[in-house]
Amino acid sequence: EVHLVESGGGLVQPGRSLRLSCAASGFTFDDYGMHWVRQAPGKGLEWVSGITWNSGRIAYADSVKGRFTISRDSAKKSLFLQMNSLRVEDTALYYCVKDMHPGGLNYFDNWGQGALVTVSS
Amino acid sequence: DIQMTQSPSSLSASVGDRVTITCQASQDIFNYLNWYQQKPGKAPKLLIFDASNLATGVPSRFSGSKSGTNFTLAISSLQPEDLATYYCQQYDNLPRTFGQGTKVEIK
Repeated sequence: EVHLVESGGGLVQPGRSLRLSCAASGFTFDDYGMHWVRQAPGKGLEWVSGITWNSGRIAYADSVKGRFTISRDSAKKSLFLQMNSLRVEDTALYYCVKDMHPGGLNYFDNWGQGALVTVSS
Repeated sequence: DIQMTQSPSSLSASVGDRVTITCQASQDIFNYLNWYQQKPGKAPKLLIFDASNLATGVPSRFSGSKSGTNFTLAISSLQPEDLATYYCQQYDNLPRTFGQGTKVEIK
């Protein structure tokens, strides 16, 4: 069974940084693309970033481009999201999501339970 | 960015009713569309991929289709456990974008 467990969320001041981690288990991590998708309180879903199985293709939403960096570590079977220059509007529940395929960034197949990031002074 | 517009934003129906949700893209996305179900307090779940293919374990009362530029998610016989918000998502272009969601309530 696929398990995705996010960590690293919390309360942070605007302009500061935070790093989210996602520990993956129950599948061959190296074989699949991965994503971060967020949901602001009471709002809809917003795709944040995606990375293919070999990190050969990486993409970001315009709202985070230049501030957030996605990465993955096959030895640790983990996905990361480095978030810099955080803004109040980045406040959301951040989901770690597995893709259905290795080379695409198309399908949000399995989801973690989310890590809450609150940006406030 | 491709805009995804869902309708209605919410609906209320009785158990056993047929329910349909529509999603329209701001440009042609071929069949590059997925549907997700998010139950209250839970993470979303993939329901349908490539416009009409049921994801593993999804009950057969759910179906997806395309007509012209509109995509439809149908629930043939609404069940109490279908209480949820449903989202469409396109993968024709980056960034990937979602519809605003349709909240389904049970009368």
